[in-house]
Amino acid sequence: AQSVTQPDIHITVSEGASLELRCNYSYGATPYLFWYVQSPGQGLQLLLKYFSGDTLVQGIKGFEAEFKRSQSSFNLRKPSVHWSDAAEYFCAVATGGGNKLTFGTGTQLKVEL
Amino acid sequence: DTGVSQDPRHKITKRGQNVTFRCDPISEHNRLYWYRQTLGQGPEFLTYFQNEAQLEKSRLLSDRFSAERPKGSFSTLEIQRTEQGDSAMYLCASRLTSGRFNEQFFGPGTRLTVL
Repeated sequence: AQSVTQPDIHITVSEGASLELRCNYSYGATPYLFWYVQSPGQGLQLLLKYFSGDTLVQGIKGFEAEFKRSQSSFNLRKPSVHWSDAAEYFCAVATGGGNKLTFGTGTQLKVEL
Repeated sequence: DTGVSQDPRHKITKRGQNVTFRCDPISEHNRLYWYRQTLGQGPEFLTYFQNEAQLEKSRLLSDRFSAERPKGSFSTLEIQRTEQGDSAMYLCASRLTSGRFNEQFFGPGTRLTVL
């Protein structure tokens, strides 16, 4: 069965510092991978997605992620974090023809000013 | 705004009561999904519709849960005889299936509290 692991439950970074959030997936076929962000009490906003092609994908708000098949990873990065980036971040893999998203447990990002 | 909308945003109910949530997807999207998210967890898939047909239900969707999408547009999720364990955020998403793969777009969610 497919699964997504986000090993870091909480991460704290200083504003202006770089950020990397880890995501590992388990899925037998070629995965469709996503990163979503959720602010308190809100729904999920798509940051970026990987379907095929270039393994380095660019998203909104200056985020990027790199798909590494050999490591079954899809880590999210940002070179310089802003205070407004504080939120919860979810990695997800789409299965069943994209009809079901399996999410990780999320990483809560805190930004220190 | 043409995003996914959900109503109500918050619902507080007493154990044993029935509740119904509504989701309005992006208008041209033919697929509609329901997820449940409990505190400290990622969303978990409940069910999805292709137009008005419910094509898959998770084992999480007990007999007390029922979802409909009668005209292939909006959808409702009803929980009968609510239990405290039903307290969660219920998220709706929609997606357009076409020649290429597309992502799901999420609504703001309905937060249910069962007392």
